[in-house]
Amino acid sequence: DARVTQTPRHKVTEMGQEVTMRCQPILGHNTVFWYRQTMMQGLELLAYFRNRAPLDDSGMPKDRFSAEMPDATLATLKIQPSEPRDSAVYFCASGFNSPLHFGNGTRLTVT
Amino acid sequence: GENVEQHPSTLSVQEGDSAVIKCTYSDSASNYFPWYKQELGKGPQLIIDIRSNVGEKKDQRIAVTLNKTAKHFSLHITETQPEDSAVYFCAANPNSGYALNFGKGTSLLVTP
Repeated sequence: DARVTQTPRHKVTEMGQEVTMRCQPILGHNTVFWYRQTMMQGLELLAYFRNRAPLDDSGMPKDRFSAEMPDATLATLKIQPSEPRDSAVYFCASGFNSPLHFGNGTRLTVT
Repeated sequence: GENVEQHPSTLSVQEGDSAVIKCTYSDSASNYFPWYKQELGKGPQLIIDIRSNVGEKKDQRIAVTLNKTAKHFSLHITETQPEDSAVYFCAANPNSGYALNFGKGTSLLVTP
């Protein structure tokens, strides 16, 4: 069963530190999304890529967040510097003219 | 942009009863409406979807209905079981493969 793989599953860090989250999309999927989930806001779209090119990152705080796809098998989401309000579960999802498939997320806690 | 409203936020039913979750959307250009189920500690998983050229779709105990005129769609779960307990999300977007806008979720509890 093909699946989206996210690492790490959990991350605890101190305010001001850099955080990098990684995602391996399903092989052959050409669209990759990053979502953030919190109790208050639900699932929010941060950014997405098609064929590795960024299509929309308007949901991302640009001063501290960055998203990249160095190659077709890896997507990264970086936060620098991290803040307590960034604490959330970050999901990666991929698709190709098909429904989105989600990974199991990275739970980030910033103290 | 698309705004998706979902109700209720919590729903408790007895095993064997039916559960209905409703969503409305704002963008009349939206033509793809998936439903996701999220269990604790996991990512959302697609359970059923419908496109705007179809009014209803069924998969065993799960069905989705779509009213394009009123811009609302609903998830129906019949003969509920305890393992149906989870958070359910509706979503809408203009075309499959593009970004989904999600509702805020419904926490469903099925009690034995």
